Amino acid sequence: GQSLEQPSEVTAVEGAIVQINCTYQTSGFYGLSWYQQHDGGAPTFLSYNALDGLEETGRFSSFLSRSDSYGYLLLQELQMKDSASYFCAVRDNYGQNFVFGPGTRLSVLP
Amino acid sequence: EAQVTQNPRYLITVTGKKLTVTCSQNMNHEYMSWYRQDPGLGLRQIYYSMNVEVTDKGDVPEGYKVSRKEKRNFPLILESPSPNQTSLYFCASSQGQGLSYEQYFGPGTRLTVT
Repeated sequence: GQSLEQPSEVTAVEGAIVQINCTYQTSGFYGLSWYQQHDGGAPTFLSYNALDGLEETGRFSSFLSRSDSYGYLLLQELQMKDSASYFCAVRDNYGQNFVFGPGTRLSVLP
Repeated sequence: EAQVTQNPRYLITVTGKKLTVTCSQNMNHEYMSWYRQDPGLGLRQIYYSMNVEVTDKGDVPEGYKVSRKEKRNFPLILESPSPNQTSLYFCASSQGQGLSYEQYFGPGTRLTVT
């Protein structure tokens, strides 16, 4: 089986840095992805990590440690528009189906 | 414009009345998938398809059917809907089945079964 854990809520102020953690248990591992979803909207792809280390894309970075079955999404210079839910996701079943975490709701305060 | 479309966007129906939610993508993607989203549970995969005529169960397939007769279309069928299928449904597509391939999601279909 597979399971992913994320904090349910995180709150931060504009301009700050926030880290959203994800721990996973899967029968096979094919990488970790992150998606963003605004209220009333559809999920959109943010990043993908297959190997250990940090991947940077603008204000967002994603980190993976395969030995710890752990990853995180780092958001820098927070803006109000970053208020959204963030989901980590892995592939399972020999890489055929996708499993998403329960999501972390990020609230950015002025 | 590259997109995934779903119809209808909102649907209220009664228990037992068969319904179909359509999904279409214009990006020539091979991989398509259906998810349901419920509060606190994230997105759970219902069915997926790696190509035409190739479909398989995800984590929560009970009560649902799918078909993939054409590459662009992947309808979700509820033969006998029940109230526990009240949920927000998303269709998604990607160029390949790998996690590195970005999944493009449709706008969602909010289904209420009374």
